[in-house]
Amino acid sequence: EPEVTQTPSHQVTQMGQEVILRCVPISNHLYFYWYRQILGQKVEFLVSFYNNEISEKSEIFDDQFSVERPDGSNFTLKIRSTKLEDSAMYFCASRTSGKSGELFFGEGSRLTVL
Amino acid sequence: SQQGEEDPQALSIQEGENATMNCSYKTSINNLQWYRQNSGRGLVHLILIRSNEREKHSGRLRVTLDTSKKSSSLLITASRAADTASYFCATALNTGTASKLTFGTGTRLQVTL
Repeated sequence: EPEVTQTPSHQVTQMGQEVILRCVPISNHLYFYWYRQILGQKVEFLVSFYNNEISEKSEIFDDQFSVERPDGSNFTLKIRSTKLEDSAMYFCASRTSGKSGELFFGEGSRLTVL
Repeated sequence: SQQGEEDPQALSIQEGENATMNCSYKTSINNLQWYRQNSGRGLVHLILIRSNEREKHSGRLRVTLDTSKKSSSLLITASRAADTASYFCATALNTGTASKLTFGTGTRLQVTL
């Protein structure tokens, strides 16, 4: 069964360092998303991506964040200069088509900023 | 204010009992979805109900939607220990090309033997 894969599963970094989280969405999907979940809290929307551009972003997704789809398969989230409060689980998700519908989530990348 | 708020925040039941979780939202929606999350894992889609539907079933799951009250409920019948997880409602709005899902606060379900 096709699945969304994310790497790394866990990354520990020092405050101020750059981090890149990688995702391989399901191959025929067209809409891509990043969400994050701070431990014990709700799942928060960061950004959506369609047709090689950002469709929507939240207030959390400030200038420190960027997304890229460098080739036909990978979808990356970059945090330029990490802060302590960026510590969270980051989930990539994708969807096949249509304005709304089921999202397929990866298992997440846990980011710990020291 | 939250787009999706769920209650209860936590629910503990015995195996074989039914579990009911409720979700309220604030704006007009295209559809409402329920997801399950095992501890430390990704979210798994359970069921989607469109705004013009009132009830939907999938296996042991029953979802209702009341758009006049802006609320939904998820019923899990004959619960099993393996149903222990957090359950989230998520709403899809009518706007935007790549319409995001907005997740609720979640209900932590514990099913004991």
